[in-house]
Amino acid sequence: DTGVSQDPRHKITKRGQNVTFRCDPISEHNRLYWYRQTLGQGPEFLTYFQNEAQLEKSRLLSDRFSAERPKGSFSTLEIQRTEQGDSAMYLCASSLGVQPNYGYTFGSGTRLTVV
Amino acid sequence: AQKVTQAQTEISVVEKEDVTLDCVYETRDTTYYLFWYKQPPSGELVFLIRRNSFDEQNEISGRYSWNFQKSTSSFNFTITASQVVDSAVYFCALPGAGSYQLTFGKGTKLSVIP
Repeated sequence: DTGVSQDPRHKITKRGQNVTFRCDPISEHNRLYWYRQTLGQGPEFLTYFQNEAQLEKSRLLSDRFSAERPKGSFSTLEIQRTEQGDSAMYLCASSLGVQPNYGYTFGSGTRLTVV
Repeated sequence: AQKVTQAQTEISVVEKEDVTLDCVYETRDTTYYLFWYKQPPSGELVFLIRRNSFDEQNEISGRYSWNFQKSTSSFNFTITASQVVDSAVYFCALPGAGSYQLTFGKGTKLSVIP
């Protein structure tokens, strides 16, 4: 098991373009989470999947953001019409069950820069 | 709502010095867990410790130790004999209602100078 993988590691895009990130969780983990981390801040929760069902979305997840987890395996996070304020590190995590009994494993993140 | 405060934004120490990172939290839950994570320059959040509110015993793991005091809502983290590899941002975190969301503090950036 290679842990949680995120791709790409870095993405630079022009304002107004669409971007998509991918997260591959640990294979047996049924729960997957997306967090966003801006410079100098701690990660902030965006959304959560149990298997393929998206069960919770933060108010931070505007209608330009969409996340999917088809077949309950990998997940994608798409940002449409990117804005400079979207520049951040996007972190994915997975777990076998619900915290706190089951710890999260985080990926290394995708750093998005919108120019 | 859950809140985690890490008042120290940046700390610099010389190698082999001891350093304590502070964490103060707010929660209305009567039972809860607290976490510390390390984020090295590579970006990945590395789990360090999880403590539950029932257990106020201090915990030691190698050069790391944690002091949990429920009366002051604090969960401080001490690194003894710091090393350059300890340089990272350290986050304290608290799960919210439903336990699948972690509320993180803003983090403390630790720089260990050789």
